[in-house]
Amino acid sequence: DAMVIQNPRYQVTQFGKPVTLSCSQTLNHNVMYWYQQKSSQAPKLLFHYYDKDFNNEADTPDNFQSRRPNTSFCFLDIRSPGLGDAAMYLCATRRLGENEQYFGPGTRLTVT
Amino acid sequence: AQKVTQAQTEISVVEKEDVTLDCVYETRDTTYYLFWYKQPPSGELVFLIRRNSFDEQNEISGRYSWNFQKSTSSFNFTITASQVVDSAVYFCALSETLSAGNNRKLIWGLGTSLAVNP
Repeated sequence: DAMVIQNPRYQVTQFGKPVTLSCSQTLNHNVMYWYQQKSSQAPKLLFHYYDKDFNNEADTPDNFQSRRPNTSFCFLDIRSPGLGDAAMYLCATRRLGENEQYFGPGTRLTVT
Repeated sequence: AQKVTQAQTEISVVEKEDVTLDCVYETRDTTYYLFWYKQPPSGELVFLIRRNSFDEQNEISGRYSWNFQKSTSSFNFTITASQVVDSAVYFCALSETLSAGNNRKLIWGLGTSLAVNP
């Protein structure tokens, strides 16, 4: 089945230790998104890619970077995680010309 | 400015009750899209429905139904004969049209946490 896959589902990292979260999709969608969701909050958009065109939200901290080496894969790099970065990170995709976003299962990041 | 309001933070019902989740939106766009997503405890956001601003027909899908009323800027979601598996956080969202290309950003409500008790 076509889907959005996120690995790992659970990630524990130490304060200040770089971490990379990955997302892959078999939907062949042009647009990919990274969201951060903290407990009892709505998802917050960090970045999105329209093909390789990268769009950063104005309030996304510099600590967060992203890479999209090809249509199928997208990575979220957190250079120096702080305790406040503990959250669920959600990847989503959208086909150009359509409106609904399809989400992966998320990676729950814990920072110790 | 675009905004989505889900006034109900938490709802608790007993199985088999009907329950309606409210969503009110604000936008200046004449063309927009509204969505409902379900987020069960596992965390994945599951797409339930999309409605565009030109289509005010109500929709029914099994036990789920949606009532879109432009006159009151509302897009309410009703679950009939609720089941324990319906327990989740439900988000209403509005699609904003960005100036660059075809990219659309979602404006999210804060979510309604629904607990269906046996």
